[in-house]
Amino acid sequence: DQQVKQNSPSLSVQEGRISILNCDYTNSMFDYFLWYKKYPAEGPTFLISISSIKDKNEDGRFTVFLNKSAKHLSLHIVPSQPGDSAVYFCAAIIQGAQKLVFGQGTRLTINP
Amino acid sequence: DGGITQSPKYLFRKEGQNVTLSCEQNLNHDAMYWYRQDPGQGLRLIYYSQIVNDFQKGDIAEGYSVSREKKESFPLTVTSAQKNPTAFYLCASSMLASSYNEQFFGPGTRLTVL
Repeated sequence: DQQVKQNSPSLSVQEGRISILNCDYTNSMFDYFLWYKKYPAEGPTFLISISSIKDKNEDGRFTVFLNKSAKHLSLHIVPSQPGDSAVYFCAAIIQGAQKLVFGQGTRLTINP
Repeated sequence: DGGITQSPKYLFRKEGQNVTLSCEQNLNHDAMYWYRQDPGQGLRLIYYSQIVNDFQKGDIAEGYSVSREKKESFPLTVTSAQKNPTAFYLCASSMLASSYNEQFFGPGTRLTVL
């Protein structure tokens, strides 16, 4: 039972354009969402998060949007840079719980 | 520097042998976690521990064992009972007291069973 889904295994974007990574969830109890970035042979690093009381959170080139009615969130990266090429994982959690639930990941490739 | 260390980065073992992966953190975090990553899949939780001398099974605990004798350390043993042990293993930690569980990850250990 995949509670967090990233339906696009890969995404290719031209440098300078916008990258949009999508994530869907099924458990309406989730109230906090995180995005992690992972390079090959390294551990994931935290990128940005959003609470369910918000619908948008912005940090520099990265913006996360949350649509609770659709149980959907997205990560926007603009402008995309070559260093953004990595695998991006969406994760969700219920407040007070200790278990993050991760999506399958989306491999983003930024082309020069 | 504060952080999470995992050693070794690459590990090779023969089939049927137990192997222990190391994870140490100096972030003074209460909770520690072990995940496994396989190609095309997300991170799957093996075990987690919220306090010393206590741990809980995650989603794929079969064939694995852990111990938490010290706050800083959370070693994972991959036993011969694990049917498909070749994978990338990630250790993480977090502050138990935080409302939301932002986890910090180590660099990972790639285990190959021959």
